[in-house]
Amino acid sequence: DTGVSQDPRHKITKRGQNVTFRCDPISEHNRLYWYRQTLGQGPEFLTYFQNEAQLEKSRLLSDRFSAERPKGSFSTLEIQRTEQGDSAMYLCASSEQNYGYTFGSGTRLTVV
Amino acid sequence: GESVGLHLPTLSVQEGDNSIINCAYSNSASDYFIWYKQESGKGPQFIIDIRSNMDKRQGQRVTVLLNKTVKHLSLQIAATQPGDSAVYFCAGSRDSARQLTFGSGTQLTVLP
Repeated sequence: DTGVSQDPRHKITKRGQNVTFRCDPISEHNRLYWYRQTLGQGPEFLTYFQNEAQLEKSRLLSDRFSAERPKGSFSTLEIQRTEQGDSAMYLCASSEQNYGYTFGSGTRLTVV
Repeated sequence: GESVGLHLPTLSVQEGDNSIINCAYSNSASDYFIWYKQESGKGPQFIIDIRSNMDKRQGQRVTVLLNKTVKHLSLQIAATQPGDSAVYFCAGSRDSARQLTFGSGTQLTVLP
């Protein structure tokens, strides 16, 4: 499978716990994006990387959210001290410079 | 800022008929648009894209029309099939980073 892979597919966590999600982009794609999608809504942009550089992070929802892409390949999204309002689908996408914008299947987070 | 919206939250069509899903955007600086299909529990699946220097683009059974004058785009699906049942999103961007702004989606239901 040469698409965008996300792990885990589902995560249930207790409020206050930290969670980390992983995204493996299409190998030749240099851009990687994180989005959040709540029920009935379209995805909402969070942050993106060009290679290992995080070029936009002002749209991260709070300082509890952080993302890394240490070697310009896979990326992780961490949410600290989770709240019930963080329950959503977290989507990763990757692209070449100007085409091939491909999404993964997402990680569904439920905070209880 | 940018806003992207869809005209109808739901659309039902008979199998074999053509479907037209509409979308409006607010920012005339938007220069790139994508249509995605999303099935339940899955990530958005790329259908077709169009740049602002084009008015029309065709794919397999799909056509996207862009009217920059009224800031409107549409997705036409020919000979709609049951497998086309899904939520359809339009998304636009206005920067080279390609941060997409999504509409809220149209649920397409194909009736037998």
